[in-house]
Amino acid sequence: GQNIDQPTEMTATEGAIVQINCTYQTSGFNGLFWYQQHAGEAPTFLSYNVLDGLEEKGRFSSFLSRSKGYSYLLLKELQMKDSASYLCAVVSNDYKLSFGAGTTVTVRA
Amino acid sequence: IAGITQAPTSQILAAGRRMTLRCTQDMRHNAMYWYRQDLGLGLRLIHYSNTAGTTGKGEVPDGYSVSRANTDDFPLTLASAVPSQTSVYFCASSDSSGSGANVLTFGAGSRLTVL
Repeated sequence: GQNIDQPTEMTATEGAIVQINCTYQTSGFNGLFWYQQHAGEAPTFLSYNVLDGLEEKGRFSSFLSRSKGYSYLLLKELQMKDSASYLCAVVSNDYKLSFGAGTTVTVRA
Repeated sequence: IAGITQAPTSQILAAGRRMTLRCTQDMRHNAMYWYRQDLGLGLRLIHYSNTAGTTGKGEVPDGYSVSRANTDDFPLTLASAVPSQTSVYFCASSDSSGSGANVLTFGAGSRLTVL
């Protein structure tokens, strides 16, 4: 089976930086996704990593270390609209996505 | 607007009743998926279809069935609903199924309560 762990909740102040960690143990590896999900809405794509290293996309960056089974999502210059759940998902050998339980980030003024 | 349409948005259902959740996409995506989302458990794959005419079982398929008669539609049926099937159900689609870079587009979800 797949085992994907991420913290349940994080709180940060507007303008700050927050790092959401994700560790995984899965049946093979074909990439790692981060999705954002606002309360009551559908998940939306944020980033995809398949090689080790950092992928930067505006205020959001995602890092992957395949040897450590580890990824993080970095949110910079936090805004109130960033309050949401962030879902780590791993693509396994059969190309199916397995999701972690999600990290709820609350941004406070 | 291109995307995925799910219906109903919300439904309360008596245990033992049959229920079909509808999902339609207009992006001509080959692959479609049904997930359920429960607090503390995240999204779990119920069934999937890599292309029209084929379906497969995901992580939690028991009590659910699907069909894929054409590219656009992927209905999920609960033959005899039970309270443990109370959840939010998300339909998703992707352009291909045999690639790691397989970005999923999700529908808005269907909230189902089984009493």
